[in-house]
Amino acid sequence: DAGITQSPRHKVTETGTPVTLRCHQTENHRYMYWYRQDPGHGLRLIHYSYGVKDTDKGEVSDGYSVSRSKTEDFLLTLESATSSQTSVYFCAISETPANTGELFFGEGSRLTVL
Amino acid sequence: QQQVKQSPQSLIVQKGGISIINCAYENTAFDYFPWYQQFPGKGPALLIAIRPDVSEKKEGRFTISFNKSAKQFSLHIMDSQPGDSATYFCAAQAAGNKLTFGGGTRVLVKP
Repeated sequence: DAGITQSPRHKVTETGTPVTLRCHQTENHRYMYWYRQDPGHGLRLIHYSYGVKDTDKGEVSDGYSVSRSKTEDFLLTLESATSSQTSVYFCAISETPANTGELFFGEGSRLTVL
Repeated sequence: QQQVKQSPQSLIVQKGGISIINCAYENTAFDYFPWYQQFPGKGPALLIAIRPDVSEKKEGRFTISFNKSAKQFSLHIMDSQPGDSATYFCAAQAAGNKLTFGGGTRVLVKP
């Protein structure tokens, strides 16, 4: 299994509070991604990174920000959580620009916003 | 809008039967079509993938069929086993772009 650790694995928070999810990898892969998974929607890309300090938006980036100060860490922040951000969040990594499509996923972080 | 439409959302198959999941896309620039398998509580993992220069790819009991003219591709699970019970996602990608996932199909194989 690819060395990807997500933390926390479970979190319950209240509307309006900030939340940060962490993804840590030991594979030294250049590309990192944050997805959210919701029933019927599959996996939707929130933000991705193609190197330290290099990030870009995905298809559902509103309300989220990311940072990558080290190769191994990619942080996802919800500045002011809303109930619509209740979801399971997955971090993924890839060695190449993912033209091969091979992403390696973490085990997910389940976030509940009350 | 969902660029990759996956069906059915769920299916139940008896052990030994064939599971078939279908995906359709609109973007003709897509040139890579992977399938991911996800077990409960785990992240998705790459199962099998195909490029449009071939019409079929087989790996063990898993086969992808690809119809470029119809812009459709499907996953067949032959001789389905209870251990195949999982959620399956199709995906598509154009060169230089990111993966677009279908909505997922939950497969339950009954013993």
